[in-house]
Amino acid sequence: KAGVTQTPRYLIKTRGQQVTLSCSPISGHRSVSWYQQTPGQGLQFLFEYFSETQRNKGNFPGRFSGRQFSNSRSEMNVSTLELGDSALYLCASSSGVGGSPLHFGNGTRLTVT
Amino acid sequence: GENVEQHPSTLSVQEGDSAVIKCTYSDSASNYFPWYKQELGKGPQLIIDIRSNVGEKKDQRIAVTLNKTAKHFSLHITETQPEDSAVYFCAASIGRNGNNRLAFGKGNQVVVIP
Repeated sequence: KAGVTQTPRYLIKTRGQQVTLSCSPISGHRSVSWYQQTPGQGLQFLFEYFSETQRNKGNFPGRFSGRQFSNSRSEMNVSTLELGDSALYLCASSSGVGGSPLHFGNGTRLTVT
Repeated sequence: GENVEQHPSTLSVQEGDSAVIKCTYSDSASNYFPWYKQELGKGPQLIIDIRSNVGEKKDQRIAVTLNKTAKHFSLHITETQPEDSAVYFCAASIGRNGNNRLAFGKGNQVVVIP
């Protein structure tokens, strides 16, 4: 089985711009979660989608949003970028059953200048 | 609360020795505890996990123990090898069943010295 695929691997954006990141989960997985990883804060939960519905949401501002399509692929959008949004954004997929293992992609490295 | 504390932050061991990483959690509802290994330029890779109805689980050189009463769990790596050098993260599920949300520790840099 192919693993979780995230595109693009690297992005450089300017403050104030918006960005969209993409994630293709493992085939058959219906849950996609997004995490932000920074050296200072570690891995922070953004949100989880299951069957095209947001099921959980972390403590991030409304500038961070996401969606999931009928084929379980997911996108994450960040609007009005700030310098502090520079991070590695990780997507993880799972079957969606509570406590099922999360499998991570290699992330998208976002740099905001 | 959703805190997961991980200690120590850095651990250096001689090849062949054992490495132990300890984590504590605060959410009494946590019932799933995975461990991840992250190498440079890659995403976290699940290496072992344990559920709250089990006290210990082993997979070759890796073992995890869970003490629900004390709310702590540990990763044990025996006969360490250079390829075990990486950052290791512990995590705990947040909330009741049906929830895929994890709270992560800050990570532990393990360096295996040949």
